[in-house]
Amino acid sequence: DAMVIQNPRYQVTQFGKPVTLSCSQTLNHNVMYWYQQKSSQAPKLLFHYYDKDFNNEADTPDNFQSRRPNTSFCFLDIRSPGLGDAAMYLCATSTSTYNQPQHFGDGTRLSIL
Amino acid sequence: DQQVKQNSPSLSVQEGRISILNCDYTNSMFDYFLWYKKYPAEGPTFLISISSIKDKNEDGRFTVFLNKSAKHLSLHIVPSQPGDSAVYFCAARDGGATNKLIFGTGTLLAVQP
Repeated sequence: DAMVIQNPRYQVTQFGKPVTLSCSQTLNHNVMYWYQQKSSQAPKLLFHYYDKDFNNEADTPDNFQSRRPNTSFCFLDIRSPGLGDAAMYLCATSTSTYNQPQHFGDGTRLSIL
Repeated sequence: DQQVKQNSPSLSVQEGRISILNCDYTNSMFDYFLWYKKYPAEGPTFLISISSIKDKNEDGRFTVFLNKSAKHLSLHIVPSQPGDSAVYFCAARDGGATNKLIFGTGTLLAVQP
């Protein structure tokens, strides 16, 4: 089945220690998104790639960066995680066709020690 | 400022009855609305959507209604089943070419057998 896969499902890192979360997709979608979701809050878009074009949300902290080496993979890098970065990180994909939904992975739960 | 609001954090319904989940939005430029369903430890799964040019869309037991003048949409589930117990997120697209979604905070639906 075509899907969006996030690894790892659970990630623990130390305060200030860089961490990378990964996302892969077999849907061949040209748009990939990263969301942050904190407890009892709405998922919040951090950035997205439209093909190779990177689009950062205005309020995404500089601490967060992303890479998309090819259509199938996208990475979220947190350079110096703080306690406030503990959250669920969701990857999603979509086509650029009008009125098509985004498809989500199961997320990575990030904990900061 | 939340542009998409789900004012009911939780809803409990008897099996076989109708579940009605509500969502309000503030931005009249939103042109596409979606409902996602989320089970614990899984990512959001697309359920149903509606374009702003329509006022109703139906898919099996699920119907979404859109009232543009009131900036309100609702999801009706009839009949409700225990397997429908999940968190339901309302989302709206901001009308741009990026397919960016703004999410509500979710409503936890519990369907009692």
